[in-house]
Amino acid sequence: TQLLEQSPQFLSIQEGENLTVYCNSSSVFSSLQWYRQEPGEGPVLLVTVVTGGEVKKLKRLTFQFGDARKDSSLHITAAQPGDTGLYLCAALGAGSYQLTFGKGTKLSVIP
Amino acid sequence: EAGVTQFPSHSVIEKGQTVTLRCDPISGHDNLYWYRRVMGKEIKFLLHFVKESKQDESGMPNNRFLAERTGGTYSTLKVQPAELEDSGVYFCASSPHIPPYEQYFGPGTRLTVT
Repeated sequence: TQLLEQSPQFLSIQEGENLTVYCNSSSVFSSLQWYRQEPGEGPVLLVTVVTGGEVKKLKRLTFQFGDARKDSSLHITAAQPGDTGLYLCAALGAGSYQLTFGKGTKLSVIP
Repeated sequence: EAGVTQFPSHSVIEKGQTVTLRCDPISGHDNLYWYRRVMGKEIKFLLHFVKESKQDESGMPNNRFLAERTGGTYSTLKVQPAELEDSGVYFCASSPHIPPYEQYFGPGTRLTVT
Protein backbone atom coordinates (compact mmCIF):
# COMPACT_ATOMS: atom_id res chain seq x y z
CA THR A 1 0.00 0.00 0.00
CA GLN A 2 1.36 3.39 -0.99
CA LEU A 3 1.24 6.00 1.74
CA LEU A 4 1.54 9.75 1.49
CA GLU A 5 2.68 11.49 4.64
CA GLN A 6 1.63 15.12 4.65
CA SER A 7 2.94 17.68 7.14
CA PRO A 8 2.16 19.71 9.03
CA GLN A 9 -1.38 18.60 9.74
CA PHE A 10 -2.39 22.04 11.04
CA LEU A 11 -0.84 25.44 10.40
CA SER A 12 -1.93 28.81 11.71
CA ILE A 13 0.03 31.83 10.54
CA GLN A 14 -0.25 35.59 10.28
CA GLU A 15 -1.07 37.32 7.02
CA GLY A 16 2.09 38.05 5.08
CA GLU A 17 4.10 35.10 6.39
CA ASN A 18 5.54 32.35 4.22
CA LEU A 19 4.85 28.65 4.68
CA THR A 20 5.75 25.26 3.23
CA VAL A 21 3.69 22.07 3.22
CA TYR A 22 5.39 18.74 2.63
CA CYS A 23 4.19 15.51 1.06
CA ASN A 24 6.46 12.47 1.41
CA SER A 25 6.42 8.81 0.50
CA SER A 26 8.75 5.86 0.11
CA SER A 27 7.06 5.06 -3.21
CA VAL A 28 7.76 6.48 -6.65
CA PHE A 29 4.82 8.15 -8.34
CA SER A 30 4.05 8.84 -11.97
CA SER A 31 2.40 12.14 -11.09
CA LEU A 32 1.33 14.12 -8.06
CA GLN A 33 -1.53 16.55 -7.70
CA TRP A 34 -2.18 19.28 -5.17
CA TYR A 35 -5.77 20.11 -4.31
CA ARG A 36 -7.43 22.70 -2.13
CA GLN A 37 -10.70 21.99 -0.39
CA GLU A 38 -13.16 24.35 1.26
CA PRO A 39 -15.71 23.14 3.85
CA GLY A 40 -18.67 21.44 2.21
CA GLU A 41 -17.03 21.34 -1.20
CA GLY A 42 -14.96 18.86 -3.17
CA PRO A 43 -11.20 19.07 -3.72
CA VAL A 44 -10.25 21.60 -6.39
CA LEU A 45 -7.22 20.78 -8.50
CA LEU A 46 -4.43 23.34 -8.20
CA VAL A 47 -1.56 21.73 -10.09
CA THR A 48 -0.16 18.47 -11.44
CA VAL A 49 3.56 17.70 -11.42
CA VAL A 50 4.92 14.87 -13.51
CA THR A 51 8.68 15.22 -14.01
CA GLY A 52 11.24 14.73 -11.24
CA GLY A 53 12.60 18.11 -10.13
CA GLU A 54 9.72 19.96 -11.78
CA VAL A 55 8.73 23.33 -10.32
CA LYS A 56 5.42 25.01 -11.10
CA LYS A 57 4.18 28.39 -9.96
CA LEU A 58 0.62 29.56 -9.51
CA LYS A 59 0.72 33.21 -8.42
CA ARG A 60 2.11 33.09 -4.85
CA LEU A 61 2.09 29.27 -4.73
CA THR A 62 5.19 27.27 -5.76
CA PHE A 63 4.97 23.51 -6.20
CA GLN A 64 7.99 21.23 -6.47
CA PHE A 65 8.24 17.53 -7.31
CA GLY A 66 11.24 15.73 -5.84
CA ASP A 67 13.99 14.49 -8.15
CA ALA A 68 13.12 10.88 -7.35
CA ARG A 69 9.36 11.56 -7.69
CA LYS A 70 8.72 10.38 -4.12
CA ASP A 71 7.98 13.73 -2.50
CA SER A 72 6.60 17.18 -3.17
CA SER A 73 6.28 20.55 -1.49
CA LEU A 74 3.93 23.48 -1.67
CA HIS A 75 5.31 26.88 -0.71
CA ILE A 76 3.08 29.90 -0.23
CA THR A 77 4.65 33.33 -0.22
CA ALA A 78 3.05 36.20 1.69
CA ALA A 79 -0.01 34.22 2.74
CA GLN A 80 -3.40 35.93 2.53
CA PRO A 81 -6.61 35.17 4.47
CA GLY A 82 -8.04 33.89 1.19
CA ASP A 83 -5.44 31.10 1.24
CA THR A 84 -7.19 29.55 4.25
CA GLY A 85 -8.35 26.03 3.52
CA LEU A 86 -7.43 22.36 3.46
CA TYR A 87 -4.53 21.50 1.15
CA LEU A 88 -4.30 17.92 -0.07
CA CYS A 89 -1.60 16.12 -1.96
CA ALA A 90 -2.58 13.08 -4.00
CA ALA A 91 -0.49 10.86 -6.23
CA LEU A 92 -0.81 8.25 -8.95
CA GLY A 93 1.42 5.20 -9.01
CA ALA A 94 2.84 3.87 -12.24
CA GLY A 95 0.11 2.27 -14.31
CA SER A 96 -2.52 3.13 -11.73
CA TYR A 97 -5.56 5.38 -11.87
CA GLN A 98 -6.10 5.28 -8.09
CA LEU A 99 -5.23 8.53 -6.39
CA THR A 100 -3.56 8.03 -3.02
CA PHE A 101 -4.27 10.99 -0.77
CA GLY A 102 -2.43 12.51 2.14
CA LYS A 103 -4.44 13.44 5.22
CA GLY A 104 -4.23 17.12 4.36
CA THR A 105 -2.89 20.32 5.86
CA LYS A 106 -5.44 22.65 7.39
CA LEU A 107 -4.16 26.19 6.89
CA SER A 108 -5.51 29.22 8.71
CA VAL A 109 -4.21 32.65 7.73
CA ILE A 110 -5.04 35.24 10.35
CA PRO A 111 -5.56 38.83 9.17
CA GLU B 1 -17.96 23.92 -18.95
CA ALA B 2 -19.96 22.27 -16.20
CA GLY B 3 -18.00 20.46 -13.53
CA VAL B 4 -18.69 17.14 -11.85
CA THR B 5 -22.07 17.17 -10.14
CA GLN B 6 -23.34 14.89 -7.40
CA PHE B 7 -26.77 14.27 -5.94
CA PRO B 8 -27.89 14.44 -3.22
CA SER B 9 -25.56 16.75 -1.30
CA HIS B 10 -26.66 15.21 1.98
CA SER B 11 -28.46 12.01 2.93
CA VAL B 12 -29.48 10.80 6.36
CA ILE B 13 -30.77 7.24 6.52
CA GLU B 14 -31.30 4.57 9.14
CA LYS B 15 -29.19 1.48 9.43
CA GLY B 16 -30.55 -1.20 7.12
CA GLN B 17 -32.01 1.21 4.58
CA THR B 18 -30.85 1.69 1.01
CA VAL B 19 -29.32 4.81 -0.48
CA THR B 20 -28.34 5.60 -4.05
CA LEU B 21 -25.85 8.32 -4.86
CA ARG B 22 -25.56 9.81 -8.33
CA CYS B 23 -22.62 11.37 -10.15
CA ASP B 24 -22.58 13.22 -13.46
CA PRO B 25 -19.02 13.55 -14.77
CA ILE B 26 -17.59 16.29 -16.92
CA SER B 27 -18.86 15.83 -20.46
CA GLY B 28 -16.40 13.84 -22.57
CA HIS B 29 -14.52 12.32 -19.64
CA ASP B 30 -14.33 8.56 -20.12
CA ASN B 31 -12.86 7.92 -16.66
CA LEU B 32 -15.12 8.12 -13.62
CA TYR B 33 -14.02 7.43 -10.06
CA TRP B 34 -15.65 7.06 -6.66
CA TYR B 35 -13.81 7.95 -3.45
CA ARG B 36 -14.84 8.15 0.18
CA ARG B 37 -13.64 9.96 3.26
CA VAL B 38 -14.71 8.67 6.63
CA MET B 39 -14.24 10.92 9.65
CA GLY B 40 -10.63 11.47 10.63
CA LYS B 41 -9.23 9.53 7.71
CA GLU B 42 -7.83 10.44 4.33
CA ILE B 43 -9.84 10.25 1.11
CA LYS B 44 -9.73 6.67 -0.21
CA PHE B 45 -10.35 5.18 -3.63
CA LEU B 46 -13.39 2.96 -4.15
CA LEU B 47 -13.56 2.19 -7.86
CA HIS B 48 -12.86 3.32 -11.41
CA PHE B 49 -14.94 3.12 -14.59
CA VAL B 50 -13.71 3.53 -18.12
CA LYS B 51 -16.84 4.38 -20.02
CA GLU B 52 -19.38 1.79 -18.84
CA SER B 53 -16.82 -0.83 -17.76
CA LYS B 54 -15.53 -1.30 -14.23
CA GLN B 55 -11.76 -1.06 -14.55
CA ASP B 56 -10.83 -1.38 -10.90
CA GLU B 57 -13.11 -1.98 -7.95
CA SER B 58 -10.39 -3.00 -5.51
CA GLY B 59 -11.37 -0.26 -3.05
CA MET B 60 -15.00 -1.28 -2.63
CA PRO B 61 -15.47 -2.19 1.05
CA ASN B 62 -17.84 -5.13 0.60
CA ASN B 63 -20.72 -6.46 -1.49
CA ARG B 64 -23.20 -4.04 0.07
CA PHE B 65 -21.83 -1.46 -2.35
CA LEU B 66 -22.86 -1.58 -6.00
CA ALA B 67 -21.71 0.91 -8.62
CA GLU B 68 -23.06 1.19 -12.13
CA ARG B 69 -22.43 3.38 -15.13
CA THR B 70 -24.95 2.36 -17.73
CA GLY B 71 -24.31 3.97 -21.10
CA GLY B 72 -21.00 5.34 -19.94
CA THR B 73 -22.41 8.66 -18.80
CA TYR B 74 -23.61 9.18 -15.24
CA SER B 75 -22.88 6.72 -12.45
CA THR B 76 -24.75 5.54 -9.39
CA LEU B 77 -23.41 4.08 -6.16
CA LYS B 78 -25.91 2.10 -4.13
CA VAL B 79 -25.41 1.03 -0.55
CA GLN B 80 -27.74 -1.75 0.52
CA PRO B 81 -28.23 -2.32 3.40
CA ALA B 82 -26.44 0.64 4.93
CA GLU B 83 -24.41 0.19 8.10
CA LEU B 84 -23.20 2.79 10.61
CA GLU B 85 -19.61 2.56 9.35
CA ASP B 86 -20.73 3.62 5.86
CA SER B 87 -21.15 7.19 7.08
CA GLY B 88 -18.81 9.62 5.40
CA VAL B 89 -18.44 11.86 2.40
CA TYR B 90 -18.57 10.16 -0.99
CA PHE B 91 -16.77 11.97 -3.78
CA CYS B 92 -17.01 11.36 -7.48
CA ALA B 93 -14.28 12.45 -9.88
CA SER B 94 -13.75 12.26 -13.61
CA SER B 95 -10.75 12.55 -15.89
CA PRO B 96 -10.00 12.47 -19.59
CA HIS B 97 -8.41 9.28 -20.90
CA ILE B 98 -5.06 10.97 -21.59
CA PRO B 99 -2.04 11.31 -19.27
CA PRO B 100 -1.58 12.60 -16.65
CA TYR B 101 -5.26 11.70 -16.06
CA GLU B 102 -6.00 14.76 -13.93
CA GLN B 103 -9.01 14.04 -11.78
CA TYR B 104 -11.67 16.67 -11.17
CA PHE B 105 -13.87 16.20 -8.16
CA GLY B 106 -17.51 16.84 -7.47
CA PRO B 107 -18.77 18.51 -4.28
CA GLY B 108 -19.45 15.18 -2.58
CA THR B 109 -22.43 13.54 -0.90
CA ARG B 110 -22.39 13.51 2.87
CA LEU B 111 -23.99 10.25 4.01
CA THR B 112 -25.05 9.80 7.61
CA VAL B 113 -26.29 6.40 8.73
CA THR B 114 -28.05 6.45 12.10
